[in-house]
Amino acid sequence: QLHLQESGPRLVKSSETLSLTCTVSGVSFSSSSDYWGWIRQPPGKGLEWIGYMSYSGRTYYNPSLRSRVTISVDTSKNQFSLKLSSVNAADTAVYYCARVLSTVTTPFDYWGQGTLVAVST
Amino acid sequence: DIQMTQFPSFLSASVGDRVTISCRASQTISSYLNWYQQKAGEAPKLLIYAASSLQSGVPSRFSGSGSGTDFTLTISSLQPEDFATYYCQQSSSSPLTFGGGTKVEIK
Repeated sequence: QLHLQESGPRLVKSSETLSLTCTVSGVSFSSSSDYWGWIRQPPGKGLEWIGYMSYSGRTYYNPSLRSRVTISVDTSKNQFSLKLSSVNAADTAVYYCARVLSTVTTPFDYWGQGTLVAVST
Repeated sequence: DIQMTQFPSFLSASVGDRVTISCRASQTISSYLNWYQQKAGEAPKLLIYAASSLQSGVPSRFSGSGSGTDFTLTISSLQPEDFATYYCQQSSSSPLTFGGGTKVEIK
C-alpha cells in the first residue's frame, strides 16, 4: 500500500523559501515510472496545482508559480521535495504531496495527509 | 488557463437521495476530467478519472459522465459518509485546474 507523508517547517517568514519533503513508502523510486506532484489549498478555499515531476526528472509547473517553484527527487531516500521562494501571505495553505496515476488523464490517486504552512509577515 | 465552474456550489440532500453535481470547462477538454471527494480536515480522494472511469475501491453508487465541456458526477443513493465537498479537475492542458467545489450537506 502506497503511503505519502509531508514534512517541513510549519511557519515561514515572508520573503523566505518554503521547503517541504514528501516521503513515500510502498514503492521504490529507483524502479518506479510514476509521476509525483504538489497541490495546495489555502484555508477555506479550493485546490491549486503547483506542479509535478516525472520519474525521469522532467518537471511541469503551474505557470503562475513557475518563477518561484522547484520540485526535485531524491531516489536514495524515496523522497521528493518542494521549494517555493519569496513567499508571501498568499502562500499560506495546506500543502499536499500526491502521486499521479499512470493513465491518460493523470489524476492524483494517492495523497499525503497535508501540512499547513503559514507565512508570517 | 481553462476555468472549471461547478454548480451548485452548495446543496442540501437527504440520505437515499440521487445527487447530481455539474462541472463546466471554459473550453473543450475531451474526457480529461477527474472528480475528487474531500471531507473536512482530510486530503482529497480520487473518485472518477477520465470523466467516467471509477477509481478502484470507490463504491458503484458514484458515476461520472460527459465530454467536451460539460460533465456530471452522480451519486445514485446518498449515504451518510458521502457528505463532503466534491471537486472536478481538468488535465487537458497546463495549468491543471480545479473547480471551486460543491459542498453536499445533510438536509
